[in-house]
Amino acid sequence: QLRLQESGPGLVKPSETLSLTCTVSGGSISSSDYYWAWIRQPPGEGLEWIQSVYYSGSIFYSPSLRSRVTMFIDTSKNQFSLKLSSVTAADTAVYYCAGWPLGSWYFDLWGRGTLVTVSS
Amino acid sequence: QSALTQPASVSGSPGQSITISCTGTSSDVGDYNYVSWYQQHPGKAPKLMIYDVTNRPSGVPDRFSGSKSGNTASLTISGLQAEDEADYYCSSYTSSTTVVFGGGTKVTVL
Repeated sequence: QLRLQESGPGLVKPSETLSLTCTVSGGSISSSDYYWAWIRQPPGEGLEWIQSVYYSGSIFYSPSLRSRVTMFIDTSKNQFSLKLSSVTAADTAVYYCAGWPLGSWYFDLWGRGTLVTVSS
Repeated sequence: QSALTQPASVSGSPGQSITISCTGTSSDVGDYNYVSWYQQHPGKAPKLMIYDVTNRPSGVPDRFSGSKSGNTASLTISGLQAEDEADYYCSSYTSSTTVVFGGGTKVTVL
């Protein structure tokens, strides 16, 4: 069974770049027929989808964050990563990595989430 | 893209049935059968409860059911139990090839 685990700094300064990594275990990131995604949740608020990518390079973007987001897959490490540039306090959130089965539009795999705080 | 509209809170007594609505538009909920529902307990990651409007993943109790009419999808919990107290989020595919979530509904078991 596939499992996901987020890692990265818990504190980022305003205007800097937030970087997170999700490690996939229990299977290969390139043969699991999953789109890999990032979703975030500001404290006390709802869920927001950020972006999804397939190992072949196919990408789906959230329009509201597209200009600041880069997402890439490292098949040699079985990881995928998120970079969010020019962060502000509004980017403070729990960031989840997730997976949706190829051909579907729901998330059936979730990491435990990691809190990232944007503050000087 | 606007978030899907959910009631802020719904409550019920143990054993009762409750329904959570999720209202979108003809560009998302109304035009595609790609509505999913997630349960989230405090401090935990969301858990998939319903996908493609009506389907339950393995392990989800059959007390949980989903439906859709026009631009509104619904999640019904029958025989409400204490452990069902949580936040619930709906989600839908959109015509822009994106995913949009609802604002979330807090379910309270009285």
